[in-house]
Parts: sequence; structure tokens; C-alpha cells
Amino acid sequence: KAGVTQTPRYLIKTRGQQVTLSCSPISGHRSVSWYQQTPGQGLQFLFEYFSETQRNKGNFPGRFSGRQFSNSRSEMNVSTLELGDSALYLCASSLVAGRQNTEAFFGQGTRLTVV
Amino acid sequence: AQSVTQLDSQVPVFEEAPVELRCNYSSSVSVYLFWYVQYPNQGLQLLLKYLSGSTLVESINGFEAEFNKSQTSFHLRKPSVHISDTAEYFCAVISQGGSEKLVFGKGTKLTVNP
Repeated sequence: KAGVTQTPRYLIKTRGQQVTLSCSPISGHRSVSWYQQTPGQGLQFLFEYFSETQRNKGNFPGRFSGRQFSNSRSEMNVSTLELGDSALYLCASSLVAGRQNTEAFFGQGTRLTVV
Repeated sequence: AQSVTQLDSQVPVFEEAPVELRCNYSSSVSVYLFWYVQYPNQGLQLLLKYLSGSTLVESINGFEAEFNKSQTSFHLRKPSVHISDTAEYFCAVISQGGSEKLVFGKGTKLTVNP
């Protein structure tokens, strides 16, 4: 069974640009969550999608958005990039949403560098 | 809301020595607890979890963690570490009801030296 696939693995963008990251969950998983990982702030929750609906959202500005498609694949978009957006963005998939005894499987992440 | 405190940001140890990575949490509701491991340039992998039942949980590679409700702790231990255990370890909690997102600690970087 293939794991969680995130593309691209690495990305370099300039300030002011926008970026779209992609996440394909494990086959059969319907919930996708996104996290931002930085050395200073650690892992911070961005949002969770289930059945194409956003179920939960973290404390990030509106420049951060996401969506989920009918095949459960998810994308997140960051507009008007700032230097502070440089981070490892991790996607996690699980069978269903909000089921605490369901293991969350993480992808390898997309390393975004804003210059 | 929940919060997680990992008391040590870095833990250096020698190979075959025992190690304990500390994790304390704060929550007004009951929680489930997790330890994740992250190897360099990789995503997170679940190491072990406590949902209910026995307060001592074990992983397949020799780690164990004990849930202590009175001390709100979930410390991770291994009696003898290997070089290959060098990684960053994250403690996480999720409420048993209400907000359903994982809340992570800031991580502990374990370095095992020969």
C-alpha cells in the first residue's frame, strides 16, 4: 500500500509569490490534515479536510488556504509569500476524521524556502 | 485547549545507555497520547500511542512510554539505545472529545554517540 505522497519535495519561491502544495493520502483514507513545521514554532496545525469539507482550522492568516478533491487528494495554497513562511509542510492522512484511535500517517513533507 | 511540554530540546547519550525523553501535557479533558519520531529529511512516524487500558505501552523497537494521569506525563524510555535511534521525537495529544487535532510538543532531538 503506497504511503502519503507529497509533491514537490523541495520548493524555492520569492517573496510575494504564491505556492501550491499537493498531498495524496493513503488509498481509502478520507481525512487529510496539514501542519507547518519550523525550528522556532515546532509543528503547528493548519487545517483538516474530510470529504471535501474543511473540518478544523488552525490559527494561520487567510493567506493559507486549502481544499480537498473528491478523490481525497488535497492541496494547500499560500499566497503573497513571506520569508517567515519558509518551513517544512507536512500532510497527514487518516481513515476518518476526528477518530482519535485512528493513526495519522504522515508524508515526507514539502520543504518550502522563501527568498 | 491542550498543550504539550517536552522538557528537553536536546538529549545526547552514548550507545547502549538508557534514555528518557520527558513529556508533560495540560488538558481540561481526557486525552489520547502519542509519540512520533522524525528521522532527518523525513516525515513523522508513529512510535507508540496510549488510548486506554494498560498505562504502559511499547513499540516494536524497544521504546516504551507510561501514561501517568496524576502527573499528566507520558515519558518515553528505552533501556539501551542504538546509533540508529538518533532522531527527533515528538510527543502529541488529542482530546477524546471536542477539538480533534493533534497538538504537538516542540520535540526532543536525541543524539546517540558511539
